[in-house]
Amino acid sequence: GESVGLHLPTLSVQEGDNSIINCAYSNSASDYFIWYKQESGKGPQFIIDIRSNMDKRQGQRVTVLLNKTVKHLSLQIAATQPGDSAVYFCAESRGGGADGLTFGKGTHLIIQP
Amino acid sequence: DVKVTQSSRYLVKRTGEKVFLECVQDMDHENMFWYRQDPGLGLRLIYFSYDVKMKEKGDIPEGYSVSREKKERFSLILESASTNQTSMYLCASSLNSGIDLSGANVLTFGAGSRLTVL
Repeated sequence: GESVGLHLPTLSVQEGDNSIINCAYSNSASDYFIWYKQESGKGPQFIIDIRSNMDKRQGQRVTVLLNKTVKHLSLQIAATQPGDSAVYFCAESRGGGADGLTFGKGTHLIIQP
Repeated sequence: DVKVTQSSRYLVKRTGEKVFLECVQDMDHENMFWYRQDPGLGLRLIYFSYDVKMKEKGDIPEGYSVSREKKERFSLILESASTNQTSMYLCASSLNSGIDLSGANVLTFGAGSRLTVL
């Protein structure tokens, strides 16, 4: 089955509200996780990452939370803007960069004006 | 500012044709990857390479082959294209995983090549 997955295929939020995108993973040995953003017609772009020895990591307007107990990852986007509209993927390391990443199916974030 | 370049954004091929998808990165990365992206299935790893002339199968290598003759270039080959290979193909690269640096495992992606096989 899918090693990394997302709970919702589409998430619609009002501009200015906070967004939370969730992700579940099944491999308890995974030690590194990344969130990617993919805008229409473009390849995925790195947003933020977190290692398994951390519970939380913050970037500019984004926060990633990791709950290893329930194997859950979330991406929080503060004060969403129209430019945040995209598909968001979580990914876990397959055991080192040489093996690539295993991706979830993606959540499409839609920003309502 | 482009770091991973995929030579073709859109291709239309016929069943049975041989297809080459080219990818070049200018970051001196050791590792390169080919994924395909399909609606509802996300990104799936086809092949990857951790060094020149080295290749490893990913999750869905059937029907594909790859070539890495130079560090900066990684080619995906469809020997005989089929309609079920119609997809978006994404190339990516990353630093050598032996370096324990935050971000060393981060993949940098190209813009993608959308292939339609008729």
